[in-house]
Amino acid sequence: DTAVSQTPKYLVTQMGNDKSIKCEQNLGHDTMYWYKQDSKKFLKIMFSYNNKELIINETVPNRFSPKSPDKAHLNLHINSLELGDSAVYFCASSPGGGAKNIQYFGAGTRLSVL
Amino acid sequence: TQLLEQSPQFLSIQEGENLTVYCNSSSVFSSLQWYRQEPGEGPVLLVTVVTGGEVKKLKRLTFQFGDARKDSSLHITAAQPGDTGLYLCAGGTYKYIFGTGTRLKVLA
Repeated sequence: DTAVSQTPKYLVTQMGNDKSIKCEQNLGHDTMYWYKQDSKKFLKIMFSYNNKELIINETVPNRFSPKSPDKAHLNLHINSLELGDSAVYFCASSPGGGAKNIQYFGAGTRLSVL
Repeated sequence: TQLLEQSPQFLSIQEGENLTVYCNSSSVFSSLQWYRQEPGEGPVLLVTVVTGGEVKKLKRLTFQFGDARKDSSLHITAAQPGDTGLYLCAGGTYKYIFGTGTRLKVLA
């Protein structure tokens, strides 16, 4: 069983569309994250949830809206997609929030906006 | 703004050579982690260091946290093609700040 699974793995869409990426973890962790990795491989945190509550919200356009229906799931909805949203999006989870925690990453969702 | 600069950005070496990757910042971190990422996969944690001056070894990999907890290094002895990948450091405060990455290629 995959510990942190994201769907879909690839997403190709037109500018202006709305899309969602789903993430599930079966590790029993309390904290989940969304990261964005750009074409230069720079990995930047976007959001973090602890037990369904938003605890980190970086400077991200409000077209991005995370939703955590329960502590095992953290989905990312993106409205009005733009060319600059093209990137690989990673979901991760850890036992708790903050430093010193081991983060487990999913395999990523490669989003291409045309 | 906290930044973690890694050097070198790219490294291509022959099998059996040694190498060192550096991770530097002007900020102090409570912990520092190193990850390796392979194409099409997410980063996988290699090590966490939390004490200034701490040295950890993982087989042929040696990790060091600077005394002031602002920098770290990763040394690989006798590199193998299986070490090829993207190496990322990540500094921990209440969240993780990832470094700029080092792409390593080890040629057989």
